[in-house]
Amino acid sequence: QKEVEQNSGPLSVPEGAIASLNCTYSDRGSQSFFWYRQYSGKSPELIMSIYSNGDKEDGRFTAQLNKASQYVSLLIRDSQPSDSATYLCAVDTDKLIFGTGTRLQVFP
Amino acid sequence: DAMVIQNPRYQVTQFGKPVTLSCSQTLNHNVMYWYQQKSSQAPKLLFHYYDKDFNNEADTPDNFQSRRPNTSFCFLDIRSPGLGDAAMYLCATSSSGLHNEQFFGPGTRLTVL
Repeated sequence: QKEVEQNSGPLSVPEGAIASLNCTYSDRGSQSFFWYRQYSGKSPELIMSIYSNGDKEDGRFTAQLNKASQYVSLLIRDSQPSDSATYLCAVDTDKLIFGTGTRLQVFP
Repeated sequence: DAMVIQNPRYQVTQFGKPVTLSCSQTLNHNVMYWYQQKSSQAPKLLFHYYDKDFNNEADTPDNFQSRRPNTSFCFLDIRSPGLGDAAMYLCATSSSGLHNEQFFGPGTRLTVL
């Protein structure tokens, strides 16, 4: 069974720090990888997509992909309390497989 | 702004009373999805439409049905809701191509009494 694994957290970081969120996946054939942010009671919001090995930066967010290690990560620089949410990793096999998410808490 | 809209945002129904949830999109995407998400769980794909072609997940109960009358609209019908069907129901859309970027609507929170 194709799986996506994330540490459920919570991951607590102080305001201004770097938050590092990690995700591993089982299907070596996966080609597309996504990070969604989900606030409590709300729907998932796509924040990053990455398709090739290496880093992709968008503002304070950096996604990192290592297909050989089957590993995807999301770095959030200068974390803000408004970043406090659950971050879902999603991997496209023949359909989108979601992890259960990592809850991030950014404290002032 | 192009978006995915779901109605209603909150739905309360009684055990066994049919309910219909709706989704519309202005993104002109040809693929539409229905997910069920329970608290602290990953979204679970129920089914999707690739254009007019319906694709049901193997473990989706028969109690769940869907209709897509046109490109913009998609409906989720729950024929006889049980207490275990209380969840957030999420509609998502994507444009077919190399990458499966999916965009979600705001969701419908279903309560079953």
